[in-house]
Amino acid sequence: AQSVTQLDSQVPVFEEAPVELRCNYSSSVSVYLFWYVQYPNQGLQLLLKYLSGSTLVKGINGFEAEFNKSQTSFHLRKPSVHISDTAEYFCAVRIKAAGNKLTFGGGTRVLVKP
Amino acid sequence: DAGVIQSPRHEVTEMGQEVTLRCKPISGHDYLFWYRQTMMRGLELLIYFNNNVPIDDSGMPEDRFSAKMPNASFSTLKIQPSEPRDSAVYFCASSLAHIYSGELFFGEGSRLTVL
Repeated sequence: AQSVTQLDSQVPVFEEAPVELRCNYSSSVSVYLFWYVQYPNQGLQLLLKYLSGSTLVKGINGFEAEFNKSQTSFHLRKPSVHISDTAEYFCAVRIKAAGNKLTFGGGTRVLVKP
Repeated sequence: DAGVIQSPRHEVTEMGQEVTLRCKPISGHDYLFWYRQTMMRGLELLIYFNNNVPIDDSGMPEDRFSAKMPNASFSTLKIQPSEPRDSAVYFCASSLAHIYSGELFFGEGSRLTVL
């Protein structure tokens, strides 16, 4: 069975500073990878996804992520954060040949300070 | 386009009462998922349906939980009897078939408090 580990439960960061959120997964088969964002009192929204091709994936709101197959990682980055990026971020994995079931990591809370 | 619609948004009930949460997926989507979110356990998949048929209910905690999808535009998650440990935010999500790589569209959630 696949699993997803988000190494940081909370990440405080100052406005306009860069941020990196770490995600590692374990799976013996090919996967699709996703990052979702959850703003306070809302559902999850897709930030970006890796399906195939270029390992650097660009998403909404200036976020990007890099797929590293050898390290089984899919870290999320943003070069300059805004106050509005304060949210919880979830990494998720789906096995390519196994339906639409997503397995989520535990989430990383990002708090952007002025 | 309307997104995934969940009701109620908030529910406060007493232990032992029946709770029914409702979900209307995005029109045309053929997968529907129920997730539960708590501080302790994060996001847990409870059950999902494909074309109204339950595919995997291994995440349903126990027999007190049941889910139905009588048609393509409606699903319910029922807890009977409810217990304080069921307090959580319950999310419904829908998606198209895997050819779209499984992007899930989430509702805003139903926050359940069992006293």
